[in-house]
Amino acid sequence: DIVMTQSPDSLAVSLGERATINCKSSQSILYSSNNKNYLAWYQQKPGHPPKLLIYWASTRESGVPERFIGSGSGTDFTLTISSLQAEDVAIYYCQQYYGTPTFGGGTKVEIK
Amino acid sequence: EVQLLESGGGSVQPGGSLRLSCAASGFIFSNYAINWVRQAPGKGLEWVSAITGSGDTTYYADSVKGRFTISRDNSKDTLYFQMNSLRADDTAVYYCAKDKEYSSALGKIDHWGQGTLVTVSS
Repeated sequence: DIVMTQSPDSLAVSLGERATINCKSSQSILYSSNNKNYLAWYQQKPGHPPKLLIYWASTRESGVPERFIGSGSGTDFTLTISSLQAEDVAIYYCQQYYGTPTFGGGTKVEIK
Repeated sequence: EVQLLESGGGSVQPGGSLRLSCAASGFIFSNYAINWVRQAPGKGLEWVSAITGSGDTTYYADSVKGRFTISRDNSKDTLYFQMNSLRADDTAVYYCAKDKEYSSALGKIDHWGQGTLVTVSS
């Protein structure tokens, strides 16, 4: 199975500042035939199921604010929240779907 | 509006069985693969199983293979998860979750149910 490793485990960011979450896969999840990275990002708030934010590493799901930005390729990926809002407090997970799906361990984002 | 409603969770002793159901609405059920994803209390997400839209192909995580069985009844827009030989480490909220892409499987998930809690304890 492909192992997904997220860092940091948690971070505290001031309102309006940038939050950066990293995700590393144990093997490349870039499919050469279509040049797509099989990576998604989810946001989970307490007591709620996850919500899809980003797929194909950088495509924003419909309705997701533009401050959520996905980037990276191959084995190294980043989710950036360009200007943190109070409603962004949550746990964020990356997921690869190149093979049998696996999730990263999650990153908790809080307000400083 | 896409809706996924899980049921069937509860408390069971180690070695016991449970059958989860997931009633779907708001989309053409037979066109989409559906997953079961679980989350142990205070822990992260773990994908455990999936089934294609037609039901002809199933997938399992090693942690549940041979103990759990996923199935679907497209005439009833319902997904099932038969869980046998339950262990304490199967304790989790179990989410029914729909693949985003038509006629795909093991992809990204665009809709999740609210989850049903399974507790395995003596």
